[in-house]
Amino acid sequence: NAGVTQTPKFRILKIGQSMTLQCTQDMNHNYMYWYRQDPGMGLKLIYYSVGAGITDKGEVPNGYNVSRSTTEDFPLRLELAAPSQTSVYFCASSDFFPPSTNEKLFFGSGTQLSVL
Amino acid sequence: QKEVEQDPGPLSVPEGAIVSLNCTYSNSAFQYFMWYRQYSRKGPELLMYTYSSGNKEDGRFTAQVDKSSKYISLFIRDSQPSDSATYLCAMTEAGSYQLTFGKGTKLSVIP
Repeated sequence: NAGVTQTPKFRILKIGQSMTLQCTQDMNHNYMYWYRQDPGMGLKLIYYSVGAGITDKGEVPNGYNVSRSTTEDFPLRLELAAPSQTSVYFCASSDFFPPSTNEKLFFGSGTQLSVL
Repeated sequence: QKEVEQDPGPLSVPEGAIVSLNCTYSNSAFQYFMWYRQYSRKGPELLMYTYSSGNKEDGRFTAQVDKSSKYISLFIRDSQPSDSATYLCAMTEAGSYQLTFGKGTKLSVIP
């Protein structure tokens, strides 16, 4: 059982470049999330989705876009990369919304992104 | 004042020690409290979950919540080298989609 799979694991971008971080889950979860984790900081929610075709902003959405065309996939798009977007990005999924029950978030292994 | 403050550590203890990890929070609307464990270069995984004041035990782990003091703790008994990881507290309001995380405490258990 793969769970939540993120690609790539590492990436270096130049300022102004674009890229898409891929996330797919095989647990048939309706709810998916993107977080970023800066060194020595807690995770911050970027975007979330409650199902195919439905997305909404989290705490730090500026500079990012998402789409959810299928239950399995939830890609995160960076259009004009900036040094402030250097971070580790985690995708997560859950079976229930919000994650305030005993159901947990399942996290991917993360994508380490550097913007130089 | 930040919503969630977590004792930053890092913390280094000998194998077999009792470890205490702590978070304080300012938002009295937080109702659900979690501890996540994160190994190096991995995503966080849920360790403990609780929603009421008091203690909850799971093996060597005890989560403690004091809503009146806005304070939560995680205790690890008989700590093992495999417990070496970063521990993140997280909490959320009822009906909210968003978890608020602490900065994390890096724990090293020395054999």
